[in-house]
Amino acid sequence: AQTVTQSQPEMSVQEAETVTLSCTYDTSESDYYLFWYKQPPSRQMILVIRQEAYKQQNATENRFSVNFQKAAKSFSLKISDSQLGDAAMYFCAYRSYLPNTGNQFYFGTGTSLTVIP
Amino acid sequence: DVKVTQSSRYLVKRTGEKVFLECVQDMDHENMFWYRQDPGLGLRLIYFSYDVKMKEKGDIPEGYSVSREKKERFSLILESASTNQTSMYLCASSWRTGTDTQYFGPGTRLTVL
Repeated sequence: AQTVTQSQPEMSVQEAETVTLSCTYDTSESDYYLFWYKQPPSRQMILVIRQEAYKQQNATENRFSVNFQKAAKSFSLKISDSQLGDAAMYFCAYRSYLPNTGNQFYFGTGTSLTVIP
Repeated sequence: DVKVTQSSRYLVKRTGEKVFLECVQDMDHENMFWYRQDPGLGLRLIYFSYDVKMKEKGDIPEGYSVSREKKERFSLILESASTNQTSMYLCASSWRTGTDTQYFGPGTRLTVL
């Protein structure tokens, strides 16, 4: 099974500054999808950003961008101009491209981000 | 907007009770999932279903069972609740393949006394 590792259990950032959350994964597949999810305190988990492994260009969604290094199996999330509302638990996730195995998502253990006013 | 709803936000049960957690999605998704979320352990998959009446075990199925009689509804059953099943339970749904994400419910925080 694929494994996803988030080595930073907790991170903090000053409001308006930039922070990068790390994620590495282990797979033998060449095609797959990667996701970052955000879970605010006592609120629903939502998608932040996604990346298809066959795309070389890094995904960007407003203040959120990724640094996808396929050879290194690394998928970090950069949050620019951090806002108080960015405080949350962030999860990295992997999904296989293959129809038969692509049903399952694999999640990291999460990084708790604190934003300091 | 995709909506995934869970029957209870908070639930308190006694050891040995049979517990039902229900999840409903309105997007006609083939796949539905039950996760357990514990601090420091992230999300661990209990069971998932890729079609009506179909199910597959995830990483931690022991002590749990599931039921999917209709496409939109996926139930998690604790046959005999134990204190080590105190946790946050998240339901999610998705299309079978593709880049689409999973959509999550709000979670049920279950306490077993």
